[in-house]
This record gives sequence, C-alpha cells and structure tokens, in this order.
Amino acid sequence: EVQMVESGGGLVQPGRSLRLSCAASGFIFDDYAMHWVRQAPGKGLEWVSGISWNSGRIGYADSVKGRFTISRDNAKNSLYLQMSSLSAEDTALYYCAKGYCSGASCSGDYWGQGTLVTVSS
Amino acid sequence: DIQMTQSPSSLSASVGDRVTITCRASQGISNYLAWFQQKPGKAPKSLIYVASSLQSGVPSRFSGSGSGTDFTLTISSLQPEDFATYYCQQYNSYPHTFGQGTKLEIK
Repeated sequence: EVQMVESGGGLVQPGRSLRLSCAASGFIFDDYAMHWVRQAPGKGLEWVSGISWNSGRIGYADSVKGRFTISRDNAKNSLYLQMSSLSAEDTALYYCAKGYCSGASCSGDYWGQGTLVTVSS
Repeated sequence: DIQMTQSPSSLSASVGDRVTITCRASQGISNYLAWFQQKPGKAPKSLIYVASSLQSGVPSRFSGSGSGTDFTLTISSLQPEDFATYYCQQYNSYPHTFGQGTKLEIK
C-alpha cells in the first residue's frame, strides 16, 4: 500500500525556521517525483514545490522561492521541506504527494494526510 | 506563471444529474492537466491525469477532456459521494498551479 506520512509541523514564531519530513512506503521511492502542496485554513490548494526522482529538476511557487528548500533522500525513502523566514501567510496544512512519474511534469497521485504548520507569535 | 481559472466556483446539483466543470489555462499546457476531488477534512484524491486518463479505482462516471488551454471534468450521473470540492492543476511547467476550486453541493 502506498503511504506518505508527514511530520515536523507545529507552532512557530514569525521569522523562524521549520523542517518538514515525509516518510514514504509501498512503492519504489527513487522512481518517482515528489511534491509539497499546502492548504491554508478554509482556502484552496497551493502547490509549493516539486522535485524529480534524482533531484535534477526542482521547482518552487513564487510565494516561497528563496525561503523554502525541497530535498529528498532516496536511501531513506524520505522527502523534506526546509522552511525559513516564516510568516503568518505560511500557516497551512502541508501535504506530501507522490508524482505519477519520475520527471518534472508529473502531478500527484497519492497524498499523505498532511502536517499542520502554524506561524504565530 | 500559468494561471488556472475554474468555472463555476460553486454548483448545486441533484443526484443523477450530469455535471461539467471547466478549467482554462492562461497559456497552452498541452495535456498536462490533472483533476482532484477533496472532501472536508480529507486529503485531495487524484481523479484524472494527462487531461483524460482515469486514475486507478476512479469510477467511470468521471471523465476529462481538453487540450491546450480549455479543459472539462464531467460527472455523468452524480452520486451522493461525489459532493465535494474539485480542483484542476496544470503541471506543464513550474510552478505547477491549481485552479481556485469548484464546490459541488447538493440541491
């Protein structure tokens, strides 16, 4: 069974940093692209970042470019999102999603349940 | 960046109705278009990818069409479990962008 479990969310003060993790199982992790997608309370989906199977292609939303860094460790079947200079606008549920293929042009086919990030003083 | 515009933003329909949701891209995206369903308190579920391919396990009453800039999601005969919010997403180029969502409600 394909499964993604996000962790690392919590309450953080504005300007601070946080690192999210996504532990993947049930598929050959290094065969697939991965994504982070977030959803602010009561709002729609916002794609945050994506990474190809070998980290050769990486993309970011304009709203996080220069502040967030996506990475993956294929040996550990894990995806990460390093977030810095956090603001209230980053408050959201952060989902990890598996791409349906290996490259940059893949949408998510399986999603985790999300980890909540709240930025507040 | 490519902007995705869905219409309508909300829709009321009855069980058994045929429903169509549209999604327009601000520039051509070939067929790199996905549709997702989200129910309250749940993670999104992938329905369709490359505009018209049904994800495994998705009922055949769901179908997608389109290419270039104009796309549609059709539910041929609404079932009670289909009332949810639907999102389109382009993944032709970074940043991958979602539409604003269409909330499908029971009439």
